[in-house]
Amino acid sequence: DAGVIQSPRHEVTEMGQEVTLRCKPISGHDYLFWYRQTMMRGLELLIYFNNNVPIDDSGMPEDRFSAKMPNASFSTLKIQPSEPRDSAVYFCASSALGSSGSRYNEQFFGPGTRLTVL
Amino acid sequence: QKEVEQNSGPLSVPEGAIASLNCTYSDRGSQSFFWYRQYSGKSPELIMSIYSNGDKEDGRFTAQLNKASQYVSLLIRDSQPSDSATYLCAVNPGAGGTSYGKLTFGQGTILTVHP
Repeated sequence: DAGVIQSPRHEVTEMGQEVTLRCKPISGHDYLFWYRQTMMRGLELLIYFNNNVPIDDSGMPEDRFSAKMPNASFSTLKIQPSEPRDSAVYFCASSALGSSGSRYNEQFFGPGTRLTVL
Repeated sequence: QKEVEQNSGPLSVPEGAIASLNCTYSDRGSQSFFWYRQYSGKSPELIMSIYSNGDKEDGRFTAQLNKASQYVSLLIRDSQPSDSATYLCAVNPGAGGTSYGKLTFGQGTILTVHP
């Protein structure tokens, strides 16, 4: 079975440009999570969705960040305008928390997108 | 106080030894607990989950949970150089409200297994 798919795997952009990261969760999973990982701050939850609806976006750093989930198999995280301090690895994860018989919130991570903002 | 705390390490053990990784958490209502392994440049990989007090064994890995003391640990028996990685402890804060789906991660412990 395919795991969580993310694209692009690497992104290098210049300050002020718009960046869009993409994620396809595991089929049948009803929760989707966006994380950011840096050496200084570790792994931080930015936002998560349940059945395509944003549940908690308290981790989104500021208005420059936005996320959408138009359907059960696709989500985007957009940064506009990007800044050098946004450089990090962005992970998408999914879980089947709400599914019958599922374990409590076992989350499975995609390979990540390494973002560098110059 | 951080919600989930781990010793950052590095923890260095010889090949064949037992590696012991510890994690404490602050929310007494936490319901589920996880250990992830992350190799350098890779994504976190779920290796153990535990929900009840006591021990849970899976191959060379044993997770231990003590809710009264608010700690969870991971033991790796017969450590191998391939176990060298960062180990992340993650805690689900508890049911209800917007915490239902969330995991809070510790900073991770770097483990090095030397031949």
